[in-house]
Amino acid sequence: AQRVTQPEKLLSVFKGAPVELKCNYSYSGSPELFWYVQYSRQRLQLLLRHISRESIKGFTADLNKGETSFHLKKPFAQEEDSAMYYCALIDKGSGANNLFFGTGTRLTVIP
Amino acid sequence: EPEVTQTPSHQVTQMGQEVILRCVPISNHLYFYWYRQILGQKVEFLVSFYNNEISEKSEIFDDQFSVERPDGSNFTLKIRSTKLEDSAMYFCASSRLLETQYFGPGTRLLVL
Repeated sequence: AQRVTQPEKLLSVFKGAPVELKCNYSYSGSPELFWYVQYSRQRLQLLLRHISRESIKGFTADLNKGETSFHLKKPFAQEEDSAMYYCALIDKGSGANNLFFGTGTRLTVIP
Repeated sequence: EPEVTQTPSHQVTQMGQEVILRCVPISNHLYFYWYRQILGQKVEFLVSFYNNEISEKSEIFDDQFSVERPDGSNFTLKIRSTKLEDSAMYFCASSRLLETQYFGPGTRLLVL
């Protein structure tokens, strides 16, 4: 069964400090991993996906299959990064496209 | 940039009443989804829809739920007889193919 775990409900960092939002997953097939972000009063939007290996707004995430992790990192946090972050996966092996979400981490960047 | 839209933004209903939540997916998208998020919990998949039929559904999507694409633009979620535990934020999403899903702003449903 697919499961996504985000161990931190809340995370606060100072502006300019590095930030890491943790995500671990378990799966029974071939997962594709995503990070979605929800800024205050806005919709869920895709931040990045592991297969594209892009860096969006300074965020990166590396898929570590050995540790089954997909942690989101940014070297220097900005105030505008304050938001709710959700890690999610799709089990591509199942042929389905439904997203399994973690419970989310609320990031607050302190000025 | 085109966006998924949802109406209404908020809906309050009495237990046992039927509700219909509406979504307009992005126009050239072919796959449509409904998710829900009970307050304080994770976003959960309900159902996906492709080629005018359900392609996947979760355990949550029981006989009380149905989806429809009544015309070329709308995608609706109907809850036949609402229960208190149906109170949640309901998100619609769409994707062009089996790739990035774009989410609507959500409908907050409160069942009294």
